[in-house]
Amino acid sequence: EADIYQTPRYLVIGTGKKITLECSQTMGHDKMYWYQQDPGMELHLIHYSYGVNSTEKGDLSSESTVSRIRTEHFPLTLESARPSHTSQYLCASKLGWNSPLHFGNGTRLTVT
Amino acid sequence: GNSVTQMEGPVTLSEEAFLTINCTYTATGYPSLFWYVQYPGEGLQLLLKATKADDKGSNKGFEATYRKETTSFHLEKGSVQVSDSAVYFCALSERNNDMRFGAGTRLTVKP
Repeated sequence: EADIYQTPRYLVIGTGKKITLECSQTMGHDKMYWYQQDPGMELHLIHYSYGVNSTEKGDLSSESTVSRIRTEHFPLTLESARPSHTSQYLCASKLGWNSPLHFGNGTRLTVT
Repeated sequence: GNSVTQMEGPVTLSEEAFLTINCTYTATGYPSLFWYVQYPGEGLQLLLKATKADDKGSNKGFEATYRKETTSFHLEKGSVQVSDSAVYFCALSERNNDMRFGAGTRLTVKP
């Protein structure tokens, strides 16, 4: 049973639309992450947060933004979606630096 | 910086065959090591972990031993099943250097 929830699971939208991908966790974890996963499977860290009001960009440059107003909630927003944003987006959280990550089931985004 | 290199796939095996997926790492300190598995249409889930040298992580018949001298954490299973078909990721994490993943290895097990 998932303790970290992502919605929607699938999203198809047109170019130029603004979208928000939702991620919530019920475990009280301070550390939360967004990864972009390409068809070749590799994971790319695009944003992370170590607590409320703390957000950082990851290794992969992304046009998305994130916010962390509440511990349990870490939404990702694309102001103007483009076909190059088509991908799978995975949200994750963990307790401490040597703790395992807990992943949501992902949002598969297609921008037409 | 920290990095993980794992065996390129795809790997195709027959049921009951022996599995090894190689994973080596570079790290500045003493990382914790992980194997994650991703089934189709799902996120990653933890398969096993090891937090210090010579620790062996095990779960569902899979094993991996933290080898500091060879900086390796190879995944093994003695007899794979069709249900083991998935993508496997090796990863490491240490203080001040957060989780790093390998590129993933796709395993297909045929009946």
